[in-house]
Amino acid sequence: GAVVSQHPSWVICKSGTSVKIECRSLDFQATTMFWYRQFPKQSLMLMATSNEGSKATYEQGVEKDKFLINHASLTLSTLTVTSAHPEDSSFYICGRVRNTEAFFGQGTRLTVV
Amino acid sequence: RKEVEQDPGPFNVPEGATVAFNCTYSNSASQSFFWYRQDCRKEPKLLMSVYSSGNEDGRFTAQLNRASQYISLLIRDSKLSDSATYLCVVNAPRAAGNKLTFGGGTRVLVKP
Repeated sequence: GAVVSQHPSWVICKSGTSVKIECRSLDFQATTMFWYRQFPKQSLMLMATSNEGSKATYEQGVEKDKFLINHASLTLSTLTVTSAHPEDSSFYICGRVRNTEAFFGQGTRLTVV
Repeated sequence: RKEVEQDPGPFNVPEGATVAFNCTYSNSASQSFFWYRQDCRKEPKLLMSVYSSGNEDGRFTAQLNRASQYISLLIRDSKLSDSATYLCVVNAPRAAGNKLTFGGGTRVLVKP
């Protein structure tokens, strides 16, 4: 069964609104979780690393004020896309590492209209 | 140079044939390597880890060449169900903690 649960699996929102994506580690207390974004026909690009109890680490070029990450507990990390615009439409996936193996959520397909 | 690079393909493979492709990485301090499979609009799923001595799992063989900084995946006796995008993933240390970097993926199409 899934060890990382991501919700929602898809969402359509109006431009200017905010969308929250949840990522839960079901079998393991994850102090670190990863957030990726994948545009059509492109690779998965790491956006940020969320750290339980401290600030997330953002990759270069990712706006931390736009993509808010909260890792308030050892089993839950959230990504909030604030003031979403059509160019934010993408496939967002969270993941975590255990014993050097990575496990991923089901992904969230965000469409901003 | 990208951290992890793959030939995007597609590799059009007749059913039953063998296909192989590589993935190069730039960080010589990379510690662990994986092949993931991604089907359209789905999350990546682990296919196999790549060990220094090379390893095989059924019809799949993975190799690591540290000197030339690449890993490879070979699929024998290709099945239609092998059609997917194959992602190499490299785990490398950095000051902020390990980072998992994905290659762009190699698309494989197995045809009857």
